[in-house]
Amino acid sequence: QVQLVESGGGMVQPGKSLRLSCEASGFAFNRHAIHWVRQGPGKGLEWMAVVANDGRDKKVADSAKGRFSISRDNSKNTVYLQMDSLTVEDTAVYYCTKDLASQAAEYHFDSWGQGTLVTVSS
Amino acid sequence: EIVLTQSPATLSLSPGERATLSCRASQNIRRFLAWYQQRPGQAPRLLIYDASNRATGIPARFTGSGSGTDFTLTISSLEPEDFAIYYCQQRTSWPAVTFGGGTKVEI
Repeated sequence: QVQLVESGGGMVQPGKSLRLSCEASGFAFNRHAIHWVRQGPGKGLEWMAVVANDGRDKKVADSAKGRFSISRDNSKNTVYLQMDSLTVEDTAVYYCTKDLASQAAEYHFDSWGQGTLVTVSS
Repeated sequence: EIVLTQSPATLSLSPGERATLSCRASQNIRRFLAWYQQRPGQAPRLLIYDASNRATGIPARFTGSGSGTDFTLTISSLEPEDFAIYYCQQRTSWPAVTFGGGTKVEI
């Protein structure tokens, strides 16, 4: 079955960096776009970034543009979210999610990892 | 930014009752709306995509409808495991997709 396992979360000071990883299994990884979606404490969901199935096309939410970047290594079935210049507003559970569609991203999130908590605090 | 407004914020019902959840978009999003369920301590789960298509493995008691700016998720007869928070999400303005604030279905 489809599995997405996030790692790399933790507590970090404002202004510092963190890299999240998402290791996937159970599906044709190189045929699906992968997204990151976050959820602040007691809050709703916010889409953050997507990387195309072949890694060529990448998009980041305006709230993170210039600070976050996304990449993937299809040989390792892994997606990364590099987060720089973190602020307290970035505190959230970060989920990686698989796009429902094959090839082109359609922004429907049909499988989710368990999430990794990022806490930004001094 | 397309804003999705969900109502009510909380729905108090009993098992076996029918639940009707609403999601209103700030502009026309055609049928590009999805619904997710999030149980406490769990990740969201895709229920419905493109307004009315059930995702794989989703029971038939979940039905999505609507187009344009007004959408509805109906749960025909609530099971104990259906008590959760439900979010709608639009993809018209990709990559700037947005989620609604959620409706909590409680006993």
